[in-house]
Amino acid sequence: SQQGEEDPQALSIQEGENATMNCSYKTSINNLQWYRQNSGRGLVHLILIRSNEREKHSGRLRVTLDTSKKSSSLLITASRAADTASYFCATDGSGGSNYKLTFGKGTLLTVNP
Amino acid sequence: DAGITQSPRHKVTETGTPVTLRCHQTENHRYMYWYRQDPGHGLRLIHYSYGVKDTDKGEVSDGYSVSRSKTEDFLLTLESATSSQTSVYFCAISEFGGRGETQYFGPGTRLLVL
Repeated sequence: SQQGEEDPQALSIQEGENATMNCSYKTSINNLQWYRQNSGRGLVHLILIRSNEREKHSGRLRVTLDTSKKSSSLLITASRAADTASYFCATDGSGGSNYKLTFGKGTLLTVNP
Repeated sequence: DAGITQSPRHKVTETGTPVTLRCHQTENHRYMYWYRQDPGHGLRLIHYSYGVKDTDKGEVSDGYSVSRSKTEDFLLTLESATSSQTSVYFCAISEFGGRGETQYFGPGTRLLVL
């Protein structure tokens, strides 16, 4: 079963605007990662946030984590056409299955030039 | 794509035929994974390997088998392909399989079962 659920399923914005994607999950986690997938390609890791962290930055990316609400958000600032891709959250649980990532269904981001 | 290749990249086959997909890595990572990606389902884990000859089932393993005879190769076999196995298959690797580790993905194989 899916652990993460991204919201919205699709997002269309203009270049230069900020894009915010959300991820909700069901069970306790150790870490949450965000991945990006360009059309027809494999996934690429973007950023990881640990369960004891609340916010993390990497370049134009900002990730927040609220473990009390079991949710995370990914903010891409000053978006570019090249940011057009699908974005997935992935969680690894606090149980014994530390080698398994559970992926959400993804948000398709379209950045219009 | 981090030293990971998948072959074939595209395949069309008929229902009932066996199909083998290959994942090859040059990173010497211990863990290898097979996922399938379908619209509305995201990525789902089929099988994974934590070493040579060491494999285990994932979330959607029925109808699939795997083998890993060398560190660098992880094979996924559809024993008798069905139309429900039409999908995009991704191989991924991670160095130690630990919590918080990044997984690196291959380019994917598009499989169509007629």
